[in-house]
Amino acid sequence: DQQVKQNSPSLSVQEGRISILNCDYTNSMFDYFLWYKKYPAEGPTFLISISSIKDKNEDGRFTVFLNKSAKHLSLHIVPSQPGDSAVYFCAGAGANSKLTFGKGITLSVRP
Amino acid sequence: DTGVSQNPRHKITKRGQNVTFRCDPISEHNRLYWYRQTLGQGPEFLTYFQNEAQLEKSRLLSDRFSAERPKGSFSTLEIQRTEQGDSAMYLCASSIYGQGGTNTEAFFGQGTRLTVV
Repeated sequence: DQQVKQNSPSLSVQEGRISILNCDYTNSMFDYFLWYKKYPAEGPTFLISISSIKDKNEDGRFTVFLNKSAKHLSLHIVPSQPGDSAVYFCAGAGANSKLTFGKGITLSVRP
Repeated sequence: DTGVSQNPRHKITKRGQNVTFRCDPISEHNRLYWYRQTLGQGPEFLTYFQNEAQLEKSRLLSDRFSAERPKGSFSTLEIQRTEQGDSAMYLCASSIYGQGGTNTEAFFGQGTRLTVV
């Protein structure tokens, strides 16, 4: 069973606009959630996280929102830049901190 | 210390051969994780260590796979009698697990891409 779902495989946005990346989860035991960014031939790079007791966390251009009742989180990037083009993974983490990842979404930011 | 280091970056091997990968975590990190990523999927958890103790293994980790972290620093992942289905990117990550159960985010290495022919 897929505990973390990223249902849209790709997203294309214009430079300067907002990118909204969505993620749904089924496991209520996750303690926190993370977003990672991945370029080809590199390992994932940590972007931002949110505790399950929070509903928002912001870091510069990146904001993550968590809706526990809907088991949904989203990553907002504003303004989007061409260097943001990459694959973004949503992940949930439980008490042992092991990560359960979604399949990822490919973001393309058009100049 | 510039981050998590994995060697080799690429490995091509013939079916049935044994392979071993190495991971050097960030030096003060006491937790070390192994993940596997195949095309079109997110990384999947394989196993993790706290210091030298292997605390959990995924059911994905068949008996052909073994991981060690003998001195609580670097780790090795060995695959015996490789199969074509083992072809994947093998990722290592490390983090700090502190007193009281707090944990930093995991930092990943660049991965080892295994191709079994």
